Amino acid sequence: DVKVTQSSRYLVKRTGEKVFLECVQDMDHENMFWYRQDPGLGLRLIYFSYDVKMKEKGDIPEGYSVSREKKERFSLILESASTNQTSMYLCASSSYSGDYEQYFGPGTRLTVT
Amino acid sequence: AQSVTQLDSQVPVFEEAPVELRCNYSSSVSVYLFWYVQYPNQGLQLLLKYLSGSTLVESINGFEAEFNKSQTSFHLRKPSVHISDTAEYFCAVSATNKLIFGTGTLLAVQP
Repeated sequence: DVKVTQSSRYLVKRTGEKVFLECVQDMDHENMFWYRQDPGLGLRLIYFSYDVKMKEKGDIPEGYSVSREKKERFSLILESASTNQTSMYLCASSSYSGDYEQYFGPGTRLTVT
Repeated sequence: AQSVTQLDSQVPVFEEAPVELRCNYSSSVSVYLFWYVQYPNQGLQLLLKYLSGSTLVESINGFEAEFNKSQTSFHLRKPSVHISDTAEYFCAVSATNKLIFGTGTLLAVQP
């Protein structure tokens, strides 16, 4: 059973703090993704990675960075959190040789005050 | 570039009634199509997918979707919904190693 885990279900941070969101998958997937989900806007891709140390910007990368030092782990970093980054963050993974199906973690609801 | 449109942001329906959630896509190449479901406070789970072959695909809990190439649609249907089907449903289309998601449709099943 594919498992994607995220380090926190709920997180409250202050404006200006540096925030790390961690994601780990156990299926040896090459591709990993970070999305944010907001009401009425669906899922918007922030960054994705198709290999260790490789990353590509998604649709809304501003204010975020990522790190992928190991194949199973993909971190999302908010260098200086702002209130407009309050959102649900979802991590997903998929196999490079598969059919594009993505497996999702449970999500992290981040509130920036 | 590929895109997905889910025109209905919310669909209210009574229990045991039929439902259709609409999804249209645009793409200049062959695509794979997906429906994901998100129950409250959870991540997304795959409901069903179309890769090739039969244009009608089914899920284990009674949902089905039909790939219509001429109308570029992949609508999701269920003949009789349950309260437990209340969730948000996302349609997605494949695009170079990733998926493009629609904005979601909230299915609200009322007793």
